[in-house]
Amino acid sequence: QVQLVQSGAEVKKPGASVKVSCKASGYTFTRYGITWVRQAPGQGLEWMGWIRIYNGNTDYAQKFQGRITMTADTSTNTAYVEFRSLRSDDTAVYYCARGESNYAYLDYWGQGTLVTVSS
Amino acid sequence: DIQMTQSPSSLSASVGDRVTITCRASQNIVSYLNWYQQKPGEAPKFLIYAASSLQSGVPARFSGSESETDFTLTISSLQPEDFATYYCQQSYSAPYTFGQGTKIEIK
Repeated sequence: QVQLVQSGAEVKKPGASVKVSCKASGYTFTRYGITWVRQAPGQGLEWMGWIRIYNGNTDYAQKFQGRITMTADTSTNTAYVEFRSLRSDDTAVYYCARGESNYAYLDYWGQGTLVTVSS
Repeated sequence: DIQMTQSPSSLSASVGDRVTITCRASQNIVSYLNWYQQKPGEAPKFLIYAASSLQSGVPARFSGSESETDFTLTISSLQPEDFATYYCQQSYSAPYTFGQGTKIEIK
């Protein structure tokens, strides 16, 4: 069965960086994309960007350009998002999700990783 | 960026009620509209893609429809497990923006 398992919770100071991983299993990793979505406490879902695994191409939301990098390791079926220059308002649960190729819907989700940014 | 506006932001309903949630896109997104359900403390669950296609395993009481830039999620007979927050998402043009969510609460 399809599973996306994310790395554990992180606590970071403002200005630091964080790298969250998302290990995929149960499907052919290169046939889908991986999208990253975040959710601040009590707030809605925010699309951050996605990576097309087969060629490594990325699309990032404008507000995150320059602060995030999405990568994937096809040898371990793991996707990563690195987030730099963290601020307190980056405190959120970060989700990875499998992105279907044609309609780009998100059919399987990781369990979420809480990133807390606090001095 | 394409803006997705959901209404209402919340509603109260009873088990057995018919519930409708609307999502309006700020421009034409053809049928690239998806719906998700999220319960507190859980990851979102995928329900519907291409405006009206039900994901495998999703109960038939859920349905989606579209009229130009207006999209609707309907739950024909609300069940206890349906009390949750629902989000629409356009996947026509990146960034693939979400609506702000509609919370269905127990009346």
